[in-house]
Amino acid sequence: EAGVAQSPRYKIIEKRQSVAFWCNPISGHATLYWYQQILGQGPKLLIQFQNNGVVDDSQLPKDRFSAERLKGVDSTLKIQPAKLEDSAVYLCASSLRAGGSSYNSPLHFGNGTRLTVT
Amino acid sequence: DAKTTQPPSMDCAEGRAANLPCNHSTISGNEYVYWYRQIHSQGPQYIIHGLKNNETNEMASLIITEDRKSSTLILPHATLRDTAVYYCIVRVERAAGNKLTFGGGTRVLVKP
Repeated sequence: EAGVAQSPRYKIIEKRQSVAFWCNPISGHATLYWYQQILGQGPKLLIQFQNNGVVDDSQLPKDRFSAERLKGVDSTLKIQPAKLEDSAVYLCASSLRAGGSSYNSPLHFGNGTRLTVT
Repeated sequence: DAKTTQPPSMDCAEGRAANLPCNHSTISGNEYVYWYRQIHSQGPQYIIHGLKNNETNEMASLIITEDRKSSTLILPHATLRDTAVYYCIVRVERAAGNKLTFGGGTRVLVKP
């Protein structure tokens, strides 16, 4: 099966600029996640979608970060305006819908977008 | 979700078994133990998970102690491609989805 696709692979912007990342999950996966991974740390969940609804965005800095998942498939994560501390890898992951035999399904990650804010 | 404790780093020899420990002394009865690894410049990759019983798949074996307070991930024949950061995560299955909370992991270096 095709994996989770993310683009762009790398992005360099200046502080106060805006940036958007795109994610295409594995076909049939209803749950989609965006994680932020700062160098040397484990990934941190930013937002979780179930189909096109938000399940958890408690750690999303909503004053500058936004995410959407129109039609319950692709998703975009936007930062506006960017700060120096936003420099990180942004990872997208997907998993099968919770429930029944798929309740325990693992997450499948893309290779991320490396953002550098100068 | 319960926290885990892992050594920050470890080395192992190519071709030998790699045993990666994880302590999760506050684990609850309904929390699963998951292992992921992250190779440089890639996203985390699922390895294995279990609740009570030992588990084995084509990648690794997971040994969970009887009291479930610790576990060991075993890579039976480590190769250079197994060099990665390994994350041990415990979490409850929730109806709303399978959120994972990552710690710092163990940085494993497989040496020739």
